[in-house]
Amino acid sequence: KNQVEQSPQSLIILEGKNCTLQCNYTVSPFSNLRWYKQDTGRGPVSLTIMTFSENTKSNGRYTATLDADTKQSSLHITASQLSDSASYICVVRGRGSYIPTFGRGTSLIVHP
Amino acid sequence: GAVVSQHPSRVICKSGTSVKIECRSLDFQATTMFWYRQFPKQSLMLMATSNEGSKATYEQGVEKDKFLINHASLTLSTLTVTSAHPEDSSFYICSARTPEDQETQYFGPGTRLLVL
Repeated sequence: KNQVEQSPQSLIILEGKNCTLQCNYTVSPFSNLRWYKQDTGRGPVSLTIMTFSENTKSNGRYTATLDADTKQSSLHITASQLSDSASYICVVRGRGSYIPTFGRGTSLIVHP
Repeated sequence: GAVVSQHPSRVICKSGTSVKIECRSLDFQATTMFWYRQFPKQSLMLMATSNEGSKATYEQGVEKDKFLINHASLTLSTLTVTSAHPEDSSFYICSARTPEDQETQYFGPGTRLLVL
């Protein structure tokens, strides 16, 4: 069964600090992995997408990494801002499947 | 570009009534739209895939007679929750895919449904 596990479930950090969110998956064969940001009461917004051959991808202060061998990904947020408070969801799509597998997300709270 | 809207953003209804949620692709034609449900602190769960002009494909465990989906045009899909009950209270999110990019789903802002 395809699964996407995210950790930690929730995280509280101070404004300006960095943090790293983890995503482990079992989806195989692998096609791509996306990180989404979901603000409370809003739909998810795509931050990054990576395919098998990509190890890292950045979007401003967000940097995602992918190790397709160990089936792990991380999302690093640099110099966090209050507006980074949201749920971050890891989504993995398998090759040949149009339906991706969603992680439960990591809830990030940034305090001033 | 690729903006998806939903209406209403939140709705409160009495148990036993039906509620219709609209999902629109504002600046592109979406041949395929997806409907998700999300409970608090849970992941998005795919309910059904909606293809323009044909019947929706429902995921296992989703009652098609309870969650009616209509995708009558390339820019509009509707989800009707029939005879709603309190356990149907949830956050419903739609997404749409452009014909040119089968990889990307653009999500709507979601609709919060509360059934009393």
